[in-house]
Amino acid sequence: GEDVEQSLFLSVREGDSSVINCTYTDSSSTYLYWYKQEPGAGLQLLTYIFSNMDMKQDQRLTVLLNKKDKHLSLRIADTQTGDSAIYFCAERDQTGANNLFFGTGTRLTVIP
Amino acid sequence: DSGVTQTPKHLITATGQRVTLRCSPRSGDLSVYWYQQSLDQGLQFLIQYYNGEERAKGNILERFSAQQFPDLHSELNLSSLELGDSALYFCASSPPGLEAQYFGPGTRLLVL
Repeated sequence: GEDVEQSLFLSVREGDSSVINCTYTDSSSTYLYWYKQEPGAGLQLLTYIFSNMDMKQDQRLTVLLNKKDKHLSLRIADTQTGDSAIYFCAERDQTGANNLFFGTGTRLTVIP
Repeated sequence: DSGVTQTPKHLITATGQRVTLRCSPRSGDLSVYWYQQSLDQGLQFLIQYYNGEERAKGNILERFSAQQFPDLHSELNLSSLELGDSALYFCASSPPGLEAQYFGPGTRLLVL
């Protein structure tokens, strides 16, 4: 299966920008996703991007995709304490199943 | 609220027992996916159904089975439970365009 990698931890100060990084392995066209998981909660879909795009912006969230390096990032502008959570990068299977392959998740801690 | 519902929220049972987890997809979504989230394996795809038919299988044990009913709700059956089956089980659904997957709040299973 696909291998999606993320760093485990990130700490930022409230009001700063957060950048969460992810690398993926599938070389074919695919969708890439960012999900947020708060303690004891399910996975909230934040945004997704098709691999022929370079960038997608949605309010405070910016997704950047470097296809050559298979690198995906999620930037959160003006990070708030409510943004503290685990963020998962996921890649959609392209063999027909359409299931998602998830990274390990990055735990974002926002320091007031 | 993603619109995907799962019951029960919590389940505590003993080794060797059998349990059934239930999922109702968002209105209009035909695809249902089941995922398992555990500390050692992370988030892993188990199985997918589309409009009542099994579409794809992931890392699903033979002791586990699922089905999707005519009203599109799905059930995941876990039998001969072992301690290692303790995990958070998520259901997700996706619309006919199959781009985004929306996750339910999960069922937390504890096997004692």
